[in-house]
Amino acid sequence: EAGVAQSPRYKIIEKRQSVAFWCNPISGHATLYWYQQILGQGPKLLIQFQNNGVVDDSQLPKDRFSAERLKGVDSTLKIQPAKLEDSAVYLCASSPIRGAYSGANVLTFGAGSRLTVL
Amino acid sequence: AQKITQTQPGMFVQEKEAVTLDCTYDTSDQSYGLFWYKQPSSGEMIFLIYQGSYDEQNATEGRYSLNFQKARKSANLVISASQLGDSAMYFCAMRVNTGGFKTIFGAGTRLFVKA
Repeated sequence: EAGVAQSPRYKIIEKRQSVAFWCNPISGHATLYWYQQILGQGPKLLIQFQNNGVVDDSQLPKDRFSAERLKGVDSTLKIQPAKLEDSAVYLCASSPIRGAYSGANVLTFGAGSRLTVL
Repeated sequence: AQKITQTQPGMFVQEKEAVTLDCTYDTSDQSYGLFWYKQPSSGEMIFLIYQGSYDEQNATEGRYSLNFQKARKSANLVISASQLGDSAMYFCAMRVNTGGFKTIFGAGTRLFVKA
């Protein structure tokens, strides 16, 4: 099966500019996640969708970050305006719903989108 | 609070030897899942192994095993017969239900395998 697709792989922008990242999950995976991974740290969950509804966005800086998942398939994460501290890798992941605590609920990650804000 | 703690920022191991990467977790949930992921320098996160909180036996997947000690809230990853390709970041993660199921990650341990 095809993996999780993300684009662009790399993006360099200046502060106060905007940027958008796109993610296409594995076909049939109902849950989609956006994580932010700052250099040297573990991934931090920004937002989680189940189908096209938001399950958790408690750590999403809503004054500058937005995300949508139209039709319950692919998703876009936008940052506007960007700050220096937004420099990070943005990881998209997807998982099936089967068994919340089962081994079948493994997250499959994309290659990530590396953002550098100057 | 739901939390994963990995106290080893970096570890060195000689090729062909075994290594243990530590992970402790904190949750008040009775049901939860524990995962280990590997992140090579290419950046993509790769699933290694899973342990359910009610599983009585420690999980094993090839050279990977998870040493699950529920009372101590620890879920250490053991890699046997280390290979040069094992050099990477390793993340411990926990799946919990806090107003919806989500997976939280620790800060990671960087493993260096020496030839």
